[in-house]
Amino acid sequence: QVQLVESGGGVVQPGRSLRLSCEVSGFSFSSYAMHWVRQAPGKGLEWVAVISYDGNNKDYVGSVKGRFTVSRDNLKNTVHLQMNTLKNEDTAVYYCAKGGRYSGSYYPFDHWGQGILVAVSS
Amino acid sequence: DIQMTQSPSSLSASVGDGVTITCRASQGISTYLAWYQQKPGKVPKLLIYDASTLQSGIPSRFSGNGSGTDFTLTIRSLQPEDVATYYCQNYNSALTWTFGQGTKVGVK
Repeated sequence: QVQLVESGGGVVQPGRSLRLSCEVSGFSFSSYAMHWVRQAPGKGLEWVAVISYDGNNKDYVGSVKGRFTVSRDNLKNTVHLQMNTLKNEDTAVYYCAKGGRYSGSYYPFDHWGQGILVAVSS
Repeated sequence: DIQMTQSPSSLSASVGDGVTITCRASQGISTYLAWYQQKPGKVPKLLIYDASTLQSGIPSRFSGNGSGTDFTLTIRSLQPEDVATYYCQNYNSALTWTFGQGTKVGVK
């Protein structure tokens, strides 16, 4: 069955960096777009980033543009989120989610990882 | 960016009652609208996509309707296991993917 497993979270000081990973199995990873979604404590869901099936197209929510970079390794069935210059407001549970084929256009998120906590604090 | 506005922000109903949640998009999104259920402490789960198509394995008491800017999620007969927060989401990629702020559903 489809599985998505995040790793790399933890506590980090403001201004520092962290890299999240999401290893997937159970579907043809290299054919699907992948997303990152976050949820601050007690708050709602916020879409963060998308990467197309081949890694050539990426998009981000405005608040992370220039600080976060999404990438993927189709040989290792893994998607990454490099988070630089972290701010207190980046504190959240981060989920990776499976999108649609190729660019992910016009398709919802049908499978989610269990989520991983990133806490930005001095 | 497109905004998704849900109402109400929370509600409480009795077991067996019908419940309706509304989601409004700030621009037309055709039927590129999904509903997710997130139970306390759990991962979000896709309930409905394309505004009205039930995801596999989801009970038929859940239904979705709407197109353009106005959408609804209805739970025909509320059950104790339906206690959760429900989110709408647009996935028209030209406008990015945006979630509503959520509607918390409780049982009286």
